[in-house]
Amino acid sequence: GESVGLHLPTLSVQEGDNSIINCAYSNSASDYFIWYKQESGKGPQFIIDIRSNMDKRQGQRVTVLLNKTVKHLSLQIAATQPGDSAVYFCAVSPNSGYSTLTFGKGTMLLVSP
Amino acid sequence: ETGVTQTPRHLVMGMTNKKSLKCEQHLGHNAMYWYKQSAKKPLELMFVYSLEERVENNSVPSRFSPECPNSSHLFLHLHTLQPEDSALYLCASSQVGGNTGELFFGEGSRLTVL
Repeated sequence: GESVGLHLPTLSVQEGDNSIINCAYSNSASDYFIWYKQESGKGPQFIIDIRSNMDKRQGQRVTVLLNKTVKHLSLQIAATQPGDSAVYFCAVSPNSGYSTLTFGKGTMLLVSP
Repeated sequence: ETGVTQTPRHLVMGMTNKKSLKCEQHLGHNAMYWYKQSAKKPLELMFVYSLEERVENNSVPSRFSPECPNSSHLFLHLHTLQPEDSALYLCASSQVGGNTGELFFGEGSRLTVL
């Protein structure tokens, strides 16, 4: 089966810095990769996704990078803001047609002013 | 507001009680899910319903019983739970055939079993 791990349980940054959250997965056949954000007291919220036929995808202030060779996924947040403080999960999905995701444990991002 | 509403937000129950968690989605999705979120552990998928039929059950104990009466509503019936079942239970929905990873989560029901 798939296993998904995050490199750091906690990441502390200063406001305005760029943040990078890393994730590793085990199944080289995984097709779909997603980042979720979970603020305190709320459910996870979809941030950005990427398919295995891409290496990079950009959103608003966020970029996801996929390195299939080493099975590594990262989320980059530009100009981090206090409102970005949350737990960030990566998740990996097979191309099964159903949303059966394997989640990582989460990295807590702490942004100080 | 994610379009997925869970009630109650908090629940405390004894090991002999019977209670239910409710989830309602207003997004027109055709798949609904129950996830368990425990401290320091990844989200665990419990049940998946697609088009109101259970399509996946990750070997969850029988003291958890899901019910999906229609595509907008999902229940999790709880009975004779154990203290280790204390966790945040998250409901989610998605559109099968759409963006497979874009689950829409509710805010969760925080369950404490005494």
